[in-house]
Amino acid sequence: EAGVAQSPRYKIIEKRQSVAFWCNPISGHATLYWYQQILGQGPKLLIQFQNNGVVDDSQLPKDRFSAERLKGVDSTLKIQPAKLEDSAVYLCASSLAQGLTDTQYFGPGTRLTVL
Amino acid sequence: AQSVTQLGSHVSVSEGALVLLRCNYSSSVPPYLFWYVQYPNQGLQLLLKYTSAATLVKGINGFEAEFKKSETSFHLTKPSAHMSDAAEYFCAVSVPGNQFYFGTGTSLTVIP
Repeated sequence: EAGVAQSPRYKIIEKRQSVAFWCNPISGHATLYWYQQILGQGPKLLIQFQNNGVVDDSQLPKDRFSAERLKGVDSTLKIQPAKLEDSAVYLCASSLAQGLTDTQYFGPGTRLTVL
Repeated sequence: AQSVTQLGSHVSVSEGALVLLRCNYSSSVPPYLFWYVQYPNQGLQLLLKYTSAATLVKGINGFEAEFKKSETSFHLTKPSAHMSDAAEYFCAVSVPGNQFYFGTGTSLTVIP
């Protein structure tokens, strides 16, 4: 089966610009996650969707970050305006259900560099 | 609050030697625990998970981990390291009603 797809793989922007990332989860997976992984740190959950509804976005900086999953399938994560500290790898993951023990399948990530 | 501590950001072992990667958790309720591996330029892949069944959990690629409640630990081991095991390893915890937390990772180097 196809894995989690993400694009672009790399993005370089200047601070105050906007950027968007796209994620297509594994077919049939109801739950989608966006993580931010800063160099040298573990991934930090930004937002979790169950179908097209938000389950948890408590760690999403809502003044500049937004995410949507309109049709309950693919998702976009946007940053506007970007700051230097947003430089990180943005990981998308999906799981079949919302259970705490469900295996999350990760995409390859988008590496963002903010200059 | 839940948290995960991985002792040792870098671990080096010789090929064929025992691999031991340490993970300690902090949780006020019984947790679910996971180990993920990340190869260069790839996404994270689940190695194994503890879901309150057997305390000794066997995963892929010969890895296993033992849940020790008294020590609040979930260390990852493999009897004999292979060159292909070189990667970043992340321990993670989740509990009911809370998020999924990752540790800061341990980079494993295998010396030929």
